[in-house]
Amino acid sequence: DAGVTQSPTHLIKTRGQQVTLRCSPISGHKSVSWYQQVLGQGPQFIFQYYEKEERGRGNFPDRFSARQFPNYSSELNVNALLLGDSALYLCASSSPTGLRDGYTFGSGTRLTVV
Amino acid sequence: AQSVTQPDIHITVSEGASLELRCNYSYGATPYLFWYVQSPGQGLQLLLKYFSGDTLVQGIKGFEAEFKRSQSSFNLRKPSVHWSDAAEYFCAVGDLNTNAGKSTFGDGTTLTVKP
Repeated sequence: DAGVTQSPTHLIKTRGQQVTLRCSPISGHKSVSWYQQVLGQGPQFIFQYYEKEERGRGNFPDRFSARQFPNYSSELNVNALLLGDSALYLCASSSPTGLRDGYTFGSGTRLTVV
Repeated sequence: AQSVTQPDIHITVSEGASLELRCNYSYGATPYLFWYVQSPGQGLQLLLKYFSGDTLVQGIKGFEAEFKRSQSSFNLRKPSVHWSDAAEYFCAVGDLNTNAGKSTFGDGTTLTVKP
């Protein structure tokens, strides 16, 4: 069974540009969460979606947005990129039992803003 | 607000030696606690979790952790470290109060294993 898949694995963008990151959860998982991991720090919560509805938002500016599709895959969009947005973006999915089972993380998308 | 502190940024142990990684949390209710491991360039893998019941929990790869409410701690242990355990380890606390299901992570401890 495939794990959580994220695409692309790496990308380089210029300041001011927009980027879209994609995530496919484990089959049967309806909840997807997004985290930002800056080098040397732990992951920071950005969004959680469940059944296509936003269930939580972390302390990130409105430049960050996300959505979940009927097949439970998800996209994270970041507008007007700043150098500080350079990070590893992690997607995680969880089973219908939710947080009790913890999250299964993808390998992430490494975003570099130049 | 919930928070997690991992006091040790970097720990070095010899292969075969025992290991303890420290984690302290701040949370208003009974916490949901997790330990994850991250190899370079990879995502996070769940090692173990605590919700309730027995305060000593067993995880994968021979790891265990003990929940101590009085000390607000959830330290990770392994009796004999293998070279393949070299990685970064994250402690996290789960938030259920807002039904958001988010986790708050510490900044991690990097484990180096000497031969």
